[in-house]
Amino acid sequence: LAKTTQPISMDSYEGQEVNITCSHNNIATNDYITWYQQFPSQGPRFIIQGYKTKVTNEVASLFIPADRKSSTLSLPRVSLSDTAVYYCLVGGQTGGFKTIFGAGTRLFVKA
Amino acid sequence: DAGITQSPRHKVTETGTPVTLRCHQTENHRYMYWYRQDPGHGLRLIHYSYGVKDTDKGEVSDGYSVSRSKTEDFLLTLESATSSQTSVYFCAISEIGAVDNEQFFGPGTRLTVL
Repeated sequence: LAKTTQPISMDSYEGQEVNITCSHNNIATNDYITWYQQFPSQGPRFIIQGYKTKVTNEVASLFIPADRKSSTLSLPRVSLSDTAVYYCLVGGQTGGFKTIFGAGTRLFVKA
Repeated sequence: DAGITQSPRHKVTETGTPVTLRCHQTENHRYMYWYRQDPGHGLRLIHYSYGVKDTDKGEVSDGYSVSRSKTEDFLLTLESATSSQTSVYFCAISEIGAVDNEQFFGPGTRLTVL
């Protein structure tokens, strides 16, 4: 399974766009890139998934360059409620559904 | 929210005692997982199941066993609890579908081993 590296923590202010980058140099051809969000005392929640180029949903955008060795989660106009831990995962069905979450990025949004 | 419940939600036990945590789902998903979460480590996979009676080890399986006798239930057993197993345990489920391996998590069980 491909290992991921992401910043331990980030700070932002309300209304700003936040970009969290994850590196995954050993990503396999069949691997997908998935991001989860976790609030304190809750389990993680799926945010977005992509394979290549750009994916956008109502919550976030995911940018994946052509070499797929990194990805960037973009959160537009964050609010205080976006304060959470964000996990980048790489893998999929070919990995037998084993999943490595890592330590994640702790985002703190200030007023 | 996906229909996933965990029981108990909180438990305090003593070193050396057996402990069983239960995960129950109403989604009929094929895959079920047990994770533990500790400060500074994120979530680490303990065991997972890809069908009834079909299970496999994750990255931190030592000291844990699992069983899945029916689709809706996945049990995690600590045969002889140790203080290092004090943690928050999350169950998750997933199914092959439009989103590859999207996992849905339960509310968690906080276990304290004294």
